[in-house]
Amino acid sequence: DGGITQSPKYLFRKEGQNVTLSCEQNLNHDAMYWYRQDPGQGLRLIYYSQIVNDFQKGDIAEGYSVSREKKESFPLTVTSAQKNPTAFYLCAVGGQPMGAFFGQGTRLTVV
Amino acid sequence: AQRVTQPEKLLSVFKGAPVELKCNYSYSGSPELFWYVQYSRQRLQLLLRHISRESIKGFTADLNKGETSFHLKKPFAQEEDSAMYYCALTTSGTYKYIFGTGTRLKVLA
Repeated sequence: DGGITQSPKYLFRKEGQNVTLSCEQNLNHDAMYWYRQDPGQGLRLIYYSQIVNDFQKGDIAEGYSVSREKKESFPLTVTSAQKNPTAFYLCAVGGQPMGAFFGQGTRLTVV
Repeated sequence: AQRVTQPEKLLSVFKGAPVELKCNYSYSGSPELFWYVQYSRQRLQLLLRHISRESIKGFTADLNKGETSFHLKKPFAQEEDSAMYYCALTTSGTYKYIFGTGTRLKVLA
């Protein structure tokens, strides 16, 4: 369904731990994105990548890191420096003029 | 900086009534605008793009550069239209998509 796979669907993190969220795509798109979705705040851009081995910070990159070693993969690491990591994380691929296509999301909860 | 504003957090209408979800943007150049929809327990999906001038599921949206708006309209709401709607903007030559805070549409029977 859609060619974009995010895993896991639910993730629990202890205080002080780093966790990595997976995003894989088979749509052959160059551009990939990570968004954070919080109630009442919409979608906020964390990082995006236009091409392999290149990525840019979005509006809320602090406490997060990414890599783009392969076209198909764009993992997001939520580090212990992220003060409020509990949220719904969305990965997207694609670009103009077709628009971005989203994965099913990962819900991260700090316990 | 580019910005997308959706002034209504919640919009409730009765089935069969017209719907208008508001979206205003700030950008000095030529934007590309989109509407996305998120039904309960489903992934966020593209509803329509302004460049296509299309009608999807009875929804239309017209870009008004003078008013910097891209309101989403449907003449007769259906219960299955109940969902979260997001307006998004991107600009020519960039890959960043800027989203509004979303409007939850509830269509009442």
